[in-house]
Amino acid sequence: GQQVMQIPQYQHVQEGEDFTTYCNSSTTLSNIQWYKQRPGGHPVFLIQLVKSGEVKKQKRLTFQFGEAKKNSSLHITATQTTDVGTYFCAFKISGNTPLVFGKGTRLSVIA
Amino acid sequence: EPEVTQTPSHQVTQMGQEVILRCVPISNHLYFYWYRQILGQKVEFLVSFYNNEISEKSEIFDDQFSVERPDGSNFTLKIRSTKLEDSAMYFCASSEMAGLYNEQFFGPGTRLTVL
Repeated sequence: GQQVMQIPQYQHVQEGEDFTTYCNSSTTLSNIQWYKQRPGGHPVFLIQLVKSGEVKKQKRLTFQFGEAKKNSSLHITATQTTDVGTYFCAFKISGNTPLVFGKGTRLSVIA
Repeated sequence: EPEVTQTPSHQVTQMGQEVILRCVPISNHLYFYWYRQILGQKVEFLVSFYNNEISEKSEIFDDQFSVERPDGSNFTLKIRSTKLEDSAMYFCASSEMAGLYNEQFFGPGTRLTVL
């Protein structure tokens, strides 16, 4: 079935450095959602992108949806220790289908 | 802020035993889901439920699994005869609608350990 690939699998950064995770699909996606899961926690919805080339910002987080709607990225500027966790991208094939998650990028921030 | 709740937070069981995981979705939500996450792996869809019946299920959701909404608030996942490989975190989620653009709210999860 349709899948998304996320890279990198792990990322270790010094506090204050930037971080980017990428989500790639071989087929066009109608939407992409991003979730954050803190260690030992549950996925928490961050944002949804639906338009080609869409860019959304949430404070230090910038989310992009590619022009071809086959890839997306999440960029964190000046990471903080509170950013630690696994970031998942997810999508729905159609309205009544479930979310399909990527494998996630685990971010560690060294103070 | 309304949230999805799940009980128990941790369940330990012997292989072959039945377990029931409980969830209380957000009260005005109509669509309910179960996902599982094996330690260190991605979140995998199990089943979705709407209007008192299963909408969709994955290959993982075999005859050992069943879901039920026994009353107006609870949503349960039953595993009839647990296997070692059922050990995972089980997340319940709910959404107000089922459209492409609807956010799903996840509960805190139940960690199932099968010995």
